[in-house]
Amino acid sequence: DAGITQSPRYKITETGRQVTLMCHQTWSHSYMFWYRQDLGHGLRLIYYSAAADITDKGEVPDGYVVSRSKTENFPLTLESATRSQTSVYFCATWTGGELGSPLHFGNGTRLTVT
Amino acid sequence: SQKIEQNSEALNIQEGKTATLTCNYTNYSPAYLQWYRQDPGRGPVFLLLIRENEKEKRKERLKVTFDTTLKQSLFHITASQPADSATYLCALDPNTGFQKLVFGTGTRLLVSP
Repeated sequence: DAGITQSPRYKITETGRQVTLMCHQTWSHSYMFWYRQDLGHGLRLIYYSAAADITDKGEVPDGYVVSRSKTENFPLTLESATRSQTSVYFCATWTGGELGSPLHFGNGTRLTVT
Repeated sequence: SQKIEQNSEALNIQEGKTATLTCNYTNYSPAYLQWYRQDPGRGPVFLLLIRENEKEKRKERLKVTFDTTLKQSLFHITASQPADSATYLCALDPNTGFQKLVFGTGTRLLVSP
């Protein structure tokens, strides 16, 4: 049982290119989240999804697009990558049950925009 | 402004000692607070939850306290081991109802033999 799989693990892209980061879960958790982690900022929420076809913005959504056509997948697209989007991106899931129950994180995608 | 602060400097301690990490928050009134552990190149892993009506929570060698008056949580690891070396993150939910957690920047703990 892989849990959460993020791909690719590492990605280098050029400024202005479109890039999609993939997140796949095997648990059927209702909620999925995208965070980015940068030195000095900690984890910041980009987008989240409460269910298939339901998504909403987090703290830092600008420059990102998400979709969730299936419960198990939550791709994050950078439509025109900028250097400021160089970061480590983490996908997480939550069952949607009791508040306070854990988020489960993938192992991240390290994205470098040159 | 709202913020969560953790000591950004690494905490270095000797094996067997108790490590104490601090999480302070401003302009939040969270119903609960969580602690996560993060190893290099990995995602955070949940450790403990403490709710606003709980003063203290324990799990094996871990202890968390929550002081809503001071707006502070302390995370203790007793009898620390080199395997405890990692970055520890605190997180709270600003009562959005969707568990849109806000994270501190984390404190790196180094336990030397």
